[in-house]
Amino acid sequence: NAGVTQTPKFQVLKTGQSMTLQCAQDMNHEYMSWYRQDPGMGLRLIHYSVGAGITDQGEVPNGYNVSRSTTEDFPLRLLSAAPSQTSVYFCASSLTGALNSPLHFGNGTRLTVT
Amino acid sequence: TQLLEQSPQFLSIQEGENLTVYCNSSSVFSSLQWYRQEPGEGPVLLVTVVTGGEVKKLKRLTFQFGDARKDSSLHITAAQPGDTGLYLCAGPPYNQGGKLIFGQGTELSVKP
Repeated sequence: NAGVTQTPKFQVLKTGQSMTLQCAQDMNHEYMSWYRQDPGMGLRLIHYSVGAGITDQGEVPNGYNVSRSTTEDFPLRLLSAAPSQTSVYFCASSLTGALNSPLHFGNGTRLTVT
Repeated sequence: TQLLEQSPQFLSIQEGENLTVYCNSSSVFSSLQWYRQEPGEGPVLLVTVVTGGEVKKLKRLTFQFGDARKDSSLHITAAQPGDTGLYLCAGPPYNQGGKLIFGQGTELSVKP
């Protein structure tokens, strides 16, 4: 089992460029989510999905889009990158998204927007 | 506004000392989880506390969930350099199913 796989590991974008951060899990988890991590802010929830075809907004959704066409994949799209989106992005999944279901994290994508 | 407030934000101690990290909220949580994160990696779950007043022990780590389910603490006895890392509490707010919210984290450094 690879667990949660994120690509790329590092990315540099210019302001206004678009890109997609990829996230895949092979654990047949229903719940998937995206977080961004900034110094002193902990992890902030961007978007999440409780199953294929279902997505919802988290704490900081502006500037990001997601889709969940399969159980395995949950890509995060930046349509027009801004310097404020410079951050480390983590994808995470859990079996059900229920109250006591632990999150499994990928190793992150470090994004710099210049 | 942070829904889960952790304190302290930074902690630097000598090997062998004890420490406590706090996670507080004005909201009720159904459960709280504690994660540990090392540089360059994603957080890894340490424990989940579910019942108000619950205490769980994991070797030298003791986790407590407040009676009112609004706070939790992590106590480490005789800290070791291997305990160094970022400790995060997280939980699903009681009336917001499907969301797991994190505190801002406590950066712990244990010096030999």
